[in-house]
This record gives sequence, C-alpha cells and structure tokens, in this order.
Amino acid sequence: QKEVEQDPGPLSVPEGAIVSLNCTYSNSAFQYFMWYRQYSRKGPELLMYTYSSGNKEDGRFTAQVDKSSKYISLFIRDSQPSDSATYLCAMSANTGFQKLVFGTGTRLLVSP
Amino acid sequence: DSGVTQTPKHLITATGQRVTLRCSPRSGDLSVYWYQQSLDQGLQFLIQYYNGEERAKGNILERFSAQQFPDLHSELNLSSLELGDSALYFCASSPRTSGYDGELFFGEGSRLTVL
Repeated sequence: QKEVEQDPGPLSVPEGAIVSLNCTYSNSAFQYFMWYRQYSRKGPELLMYTYSSGNKEDGRFTAQVDKSSKYISLFIRDSQPSDSATYLCAMSANTGFQKLVFGTGTRLLVSP
Repeated sequence: DSGVTQTPKHLITATGQRVTLRCSPRSGDLSVYWYQQSLDQGLQFLIQYYNGEERAKGNILERFSAQQFPDLHSELNLSSLELGDSALYFCASSPRTSGYDGELFFGEGSRLTVL
C-alpha cells in the first residue's frame, strides 16, 4: 500500500463548478501538506501549503487537512478552463524537501 | 517560468546506453533535487545536492549518479539503461535545504524514452 493515495481521474467539470480534490495517507507522522499544480509538459508548481490540521484559503483555492481521518482536500471555487491540470498532493513529517511524499496526481479537466 | 532550466527536453535511447541530464537551478539557489516521475509511481525523490555536496539520497539506483558543480549546475547520469527507466526526470531547486516557508521550484523536465 502506498503512503499517499490519490485518485488519478480524470475529473471533468464544467466551468464555474466547485472542484474537490482529495488525498488519503497512512503515515500519522505527516504534518506538512502541500498541493502542487502541474500543467501538461511542465514541472509542478506549489499551489498551497498547510501545516498540521485546519483550513487555508488563497483566492479561489482552499486547502483542508483532517489529520484524524488522514485525509486532505483541495477545493477550487468557480473553476476555470485554465485550472485544467494535474494536481499533486505532497506531504512530509518534517521540513526536509527530500522527505516529501507525493501522490500520483489527479487530472482535472474544466470545460468552457 | 520557474527559472530552473533542464536539458535535453526529450531523449530517446536504447537499452544498455548511458545518458546525462543537465539542470541549471534558479540564480542563487544552492539546493538541487532530482526526481523521477512515472505514471504509476508519481514523483519519486532521487538525490539532493547542496552547494556542491550530496545531502540526501532517496530511491536512486546504483546505475544512476549525480553531481553538482561549482557553478551550481547539476548533472544526473543514468547508465546501463533499462526499459523501466523511461520516465520524466525533474530537477528542482531551492535556496535552502528545508523549510516550507520557501518553495521547491521545478524545471520542465527531461523525458527519457528507452527502447
């Protein structure tokens, strides 16, 4: 079993929809949680970072962590075609980037 | 544009061959990380260098090696290539070795196909 599980999708939604992307994990020591966005033929770019439990909001994006359920979510409000990309969750027990464990990514398609 | 440059973008080679992937980090970034991305495994950490010195090793095969030069660019050498080595190889840089107040900046990757 992988430490981090993520549905590969694709997830297809119409423009303007609320999107929910999720990851589950098995390592209870994880306390740093990130979401990366990866456009086709590009490298991942950091979208959101959350420490421990709780919510974090940045514009149309909200990251949510539920450590009791070992479950993290990324919500995208008013989704746009430009949001079409693969979203990778990543997490770690400490602050070393080399310890980041990535999910395999969920491909999101937002149609106009 | 992340500021991290990787070459070549695409590479096709045969089993048993050796290739070198090159990475130039963002200006001023001392840390360089190499990752392998495949469809079923996702992003896997291979190795990290900081200011020319190896700092951490991940799931890097013995057939693979890397180095970081005085000008901070890095090379990943893959030898005795096998079909299973076909993947996207990403380089990322960071100004520090840890700390999530900063970011990990990824290049656009080198797509390796082994036939």
